[in-house]
Amino acid sequence: QKEVEQDPGPLSVPEGAIVSLNCTYSNSAFQYFMWYRQYSRKGPELLMYTYSSGNKEDGRFTAQVDKSSKYISLFIRDSQPSDSATYLCAIRSTGFQKLVFGTGTRLLVSP
Amino acid sequence: EAQVTQNPRYLITVTGKKLTVTCSQNMNHEYMSWYRQDPGLGLRQIYYSMNVEVTDKGDVPEGYKVSRKEKRNFPLILESPSPNQTSLYFCASISYRDLDYNEQFFGPGTRLTVL
Repeated sequence: QKEVEQDPGPLSVPEGAIVSLNCTYSNSAFQYFMWYRQYSRKGPELLMYTYSSGNKEDGRFTAQVDKSSKYISLFIRDSQPSDSATYLCAIRSTGFQKLVFGTGTRLLVSP
Repeated sequence: EAQVTQNPRYLITVTGKKLTVTCSQNMNHEYMSWYRQDPGLGLRQIYYSMNVEVTDKGDVPEGYKVSRKEKRNFPLILESPSPNQTSLYFCASISYRDLDYNEQFFGPGTRLTVL
């Protein structure tokens, strides 16, 4: 079983839709949860960073962590064509710097 | 501008011909890392370095070498490349705001094809 599972997509939505991206993980020691966005032909860039369970909001983006279910989500409100990218979840344990990445979900937002 | 640079961005080579992919960061970060990205497998760590002259293996180190003689540079060396090393490679540099928070800054990637 992979440590982090993520649906590769692609996920196609119309402009203005609410997007939900998800990852599941297996190791309960994971405490730090991140979402990276990767545009085509670019390196990933950090989008959201959360500690432990709960929600974190930043503009149109909301990151949600449910540790009891080992499930993390990224919600994008009022999606825009510029949001079209691959979204990778990344997780790490306390005291370790190594990140475990999901395989990424490709999102396509059509005008 | 804070950045991580990699060179070359694209490389086509043949089996067995030694190559080096350079990585440089201008943020004075101590921790740097190399990843490869393959379809369906995501980002996998090859090697990492916690400081000058301190390196360690990641998840997929076979066939690769690294060195860290200066803080800003972290080259990836393929002594005898093979076709299964055809991949997209990313260098990353890590910033620590505190013990809880770190952010990995990725380079633009190097697409390597080994024939």
